[in-house]
Amino acid sequence: GESVGLHLPTLSVQEGDNSIINCAYSNSASDYFIWYKQESGKGPQFIIDIRSNMDKRQGQRVTVLLNKTVKHLSLQIAATQPGDSAVYFCAENISGTYKYIFGTGTRLKVLA
Amino acid sequence: KAGVTQTPRYLIKTRGQQVTLSCSPISGHRSVSWYQQTPGQGLQFLFEYFSETQRNKGNFPGRFSGRQFSNSRSEMNVSTLELGDSALYLCASSGQGLQETQYFGPGTRLLVL
Repeated sequence: GESVGLHLPTLSVQEGDNSIINCAYSNSASDYFIWYKQESGKGPQFIIDIRSNMDKRQGQRVTVLLNKTVKHLSLQIAATQPGDSAVYFCAENISGTYKYIFGTGTRLKVLA
Repeated sequence: KAGVTQTPRYLIKTRGQQVTLSCSPISGHRSVSWYQQTPGQGLQFLFEYFSETQRNKGNFPGRFSGRQFSNSRSEMNVSTLELGDSALYLCASSGQGLQETQYFGPGTRLLVL
């Protein structure tokens, strides 16, 4: 079925290091992408988004990169902090629809 | 601005029962989407409502239904509950256009026994 190809692996990162979380999307008609962070017991929280007319977008300590050629999306977190520990999801929106497709997420663990 | 609110936060039901979950969107948001989240399937899209009309629907059986009221508040109903319906049900609200950012509520944790 439809999917954003993100299993639920665990990424362990030392505090202060940079984190890179990857996502492969499957629908070439998708042209809007969002990264969410979900902490235990909470709903997903918006981090950053990017539209397909861009390759890169930066926020506070976060950068999203989009490679449309290989349908790949990544989230980079600079100077990872303990508060960044959570599950991260990428979501794609298929052009012309109101529907979002989410992956299963990546768990980020920040080691002190 | 208050965020998306969902009630109840936790619910325990038995097989065969039905359940109604409620979602209040962010003030001014008119689109409400519902998702089911399970460990094995991740976030699965259920449906999306705008101006009291269902605009989009995911691949769930007819036991899952929803509605939206004139104040944009939304409810979803699951009839004839099955064990596999145990999940976190998330509601997200957004503005009316395409590709508007969705903001999620805390979810309702449903356990079916």
